[in-house]
Amino acid sequence: GAVVSQHPSWVICKSGTSVKIECRSLDFQATTMFWYRQFPKQSLMLMATSNEGSKATYEQGVEKDKFLINHASLTLSTLTVTSAHPEDSSFYICSAPSRGSYEQYFGPGTRLTVT
Amino acid sequence: QKEVEQDPGPLSVPEGAIVSLNCTYSNSAFQYFMWYRQYSRKGPELLMYTYSSGNKEDGRFTAQVDKSSKYISLFIRDSQPSDSATYLCAMIGAGKSTFGDGTTLTVKP
Repeated sequence: GAVVSQHPSWVICKSGTSVKIECRSLDFQATTMFWYRQFPKQSLMLMATSNEGSKATYEQGVEKDKFLINHASLTLSTLTVTSAHPEDSSFYICSAPSRGSYEQYFGPGTRLTVT
Repeated sequence: QKEVEQDPGPLSVPEGAIVSLNCTYSNSAFQYFMWYRQYSRKGPELLMYTYSSGNKEDGRFTAQVDKSSKYISLFIRDSQPSDSATYLCAMIGAGKSTFGDGTTLTVKP
């Protein structure tokens, strides 16, 4: 199946700093990518939909100025957590939908720890 | 009330057991139903998907959908220790995926 990668896989940062997470589709083009956040023992919560060539669509309650999304190309979307706080510590996962089916290909996730 | 409710678990079974994982939903707009498997600290991977009521089988896995009852299940036959993971049900409607909270399964050798 298609492969989606994320970088970094784990990052620790200090409170108040910004962190950028990359999501790449390795062998297919993705005009749309999804960003999820997952807290321990909880489900995936959709944060935003990243659209190549246009602004991201944020879910209700997600601060767009805090979670900056840039869909730079057909194979790359980035999520920047600005002015990170300890409560932003979570597992962030991106996905890209396949063409022709309803399957989503998920990245391996990025574990963010804010100290 | 959540749109998708998943049996919370955790579930612990001996190797070789039959496992049943279940989700209910309330939104009639859901048209596609999926099961994902997520190993610890990894992204989810799709196991099965279906869009109609009935059973769909793939090896040791059977997905069952009952739209009239708004209930879906995943059965695992002859469970193996390698099946130990968190299983997430997911439903798609109106272009959006909604996930259950997941059930953590441990298969003991």
